[in-house]
Amino acid sequence: EVQLVESGGGLVQPGGSLRLSCAASGFTFSNYAMSWVRQAPGKGLEWVSAISGSGGSTYYADSVEGRFTISRDNSKSTLFLQMNSLRAEDTAVYHCAKVVGSYIFDDWGQGTLVTVSS
Amino acid sequence: EIALTQSPATLSLSPGERATLSCRASQSVSRNLAWYQQKPGQAPRLLIYDASNRATGIPARFSGSGSGTDFTLTISSLEPEDFAVYYCQQCDSWPLTFGGGTKVEIK
Repeated sequence: EVQLVESGGGLVQPGGSLRLSCAASGFTFSNYAMSWVRQAPGKGLEWVSAISGSGGSTYYADSVEGRFTISRDNSKSTLFLQMNSLRAEDTAVYHCAKVVGSYIFDDWGQGTLVTVSS
Repeated sequence: EIALTQSPATLSLSPGERATLSCRASQSVSRNLAWYQQKPGQAPRLLIYDASNRATGIPARFSGSGSGTDFTLTISSLEPEDFAVYYCQQCDSWPLTFGGGTKVEIK
């Protein structure tokens, strides 16, 4: 059974940084691209970033380009999202998701809440 | 960036009725479109990929159709567990985008 467990969320001041982690199990992690998708309170889904299985290719939404960095440690089956220069509009639940096919998401974690507020 | 517009925003139906949800893309995405279901407090669940293929374990009452810019998710006969929010997502080009969602509520 695929399991994706996010951690690292919390309250941070505007301009601050946070690093999210996603521990994966139940599948061969290195064989799959991974992604982060966020959901602001009461709002819809917004794709944030994606990374290929090898980590050699990364992709970002315009809203986070230059501030967020996605990475992975295949030896530890863990996905990361380094978030810098955080803004109030980054407040959301951040889900990690396993990618299949042409970048669709077939398994999701429950998410970790990031709140950016002074 | 490809924008996805879902309609209606809210669909009020009774169990047993047919639900028809629309997703329109601002430019062609071929058949590179997926549908997800999300219930309150839960992560999204993949329903349909490549416009019309049901994901593993998804009941046959869910079907997807369309190509290019116009797509439809149909639930043939609503079960109580189907009342939820539904999102479409395009994977044709970067950045990936989601529609704003359609809430299917009990009438």
